[in-house]
Formats: sequence, C-alpha cells, structure tokens
Amino acid sequence: SQKIEQNSEALNIQEGKTATLTCNYTNYSPAYLQWYRQDPGRGPVFLLLIRENEKEKRKERLKVTFDTTLKQSLFHITASQPADSATYLCALRDSSYKLIFGSGTRLLVRP
Amino acid sequence: NAGVTQTPKFRVLKTGQSMTLLCAQDMNHEYMYWYRQDPGMGLRLIHYSVGEGTTAKGEVPDGYNVSRLKKQNFLLGLESAAPSQTSVYFCASSPVGFNEQFFGPGTRLTVL
Repeated sequence: SQKIEQNSEALNIQEGKTATLTCNYTNYSPAYLQWYRQDPGRGPVFLLLIRENEKEKRKERLKVTFDTTLKQSLFHITASQPADSATYLCALRDSSYKLIFGSGTRLLVRP
Repeated sequence: NAGVTQTPKFRVLKTGQSMTLLCAQDMNHEYMYWYRQDPGMGLRLIHYSVGEGTTAKGEVPDGYNVSRLKKQNFLLGLESAAPSQTSVYFCASSPVGFNEQFFGPGTRLTVL
C-alpha cells in the first residue's frame, strides 16, 4: 500500500540548533513534494516545494532535500528559534495529482 | 484579501442531524478541496473541485456531499451526521496545477 511516514514523536531541540525532520514514502513516484507548517488551532501554511529533478531547495533558514532513490525528503531549520515550534507536514502529489499528506512531526524549540 | 474563510468555526451536532460547512476564497483559484484532520491520521481528502460546477471524490468521501455552484465557494454537506464524523475540517484552494494550497482556519465539528 502507499504510505507517507513522518516521525510521530515530537522533536525537542535547543534554540540555535538545526532541526531535521524526515518524510519517507513508499509506493509513490511523486513529481514533487511540499512542506507545510501548522500551528495549534490553525490551518497548514505552505513553506516549500521541491520537484523530483531538484536535489535541494532553500528559503531563508529552511532547506529541503529530496532523494527519489531513498524515497525520502529531509526538512532542515537552521538556527532554530522558539517561534519555529509547530507541527510540520510533508505532502506529495500522487499519480492522480492529488496531494497526500503525512501525519506531521511536532517540533519544540526550547529557549 | 481575506484568503480562505470557513463558516462556522465550531459546531456541535447530534447523531442524524444535517449541516453545511461553507468555504469561500477570494484569490480566484480554480481548485478547491475539503479535508478532515484527525489525531495521528493527518489530513485526508474528502472531495475536491477543479472548477465551477465540477466535483470529485477524494480518499474519504462517504457520508459527505459537496457543491461548487460559484467559483469562490465550496460547500461541504453532512446529510446525517455520525460520531465518526467528529473531526476538524479544513478547506483549501489552489491555482490551476495542484501546486501550493492555501488553507482556511478550520471548522471543529463534534457529533454526539
């Protein structure tokens, strides 16, 4: 069956460190993958999109990698801040061009 | 621009009651979506629309109906609510191409 897996355990890191979140998928060949941020009680907010022919994408302190051989995307936040605390969702486009979301990983950045 | 708005924000229903959730967007987007989000399950697509007057089923369509009579509005209906439909419902929209999606603030629905 097709699956998207994100670590269900919260990631707890110290302010200033780099946070790395993982998104693994099976039985998909997505054309692109997206990352969203979701704060409690709010809707997800789009952060980054990376296409299958791109290895890496950056936006300010954010970096996303996409390894289609490993079927994995890594999402990095450098110089993390308490304001980065949120749940981060990965999503990929399936063959019928709908977005399929992972269940998200909660990030907690301690001051 | 208000972006994507959802009405109501909260609702409590009794089993068997019906209701309609309203989603409106002012970005002139062609595509609109309804998702539900449950703990540990992530966002699951209920129905979507690629244009005015068209709708299609998503991953979990049973028990829901939708209509897109106007480009800016997408309605989600529950004809006979069940406790299993207790969830947070999100509407989203996107330009043509199934790219970045813009989400509304959500509707928290409880069915007793």
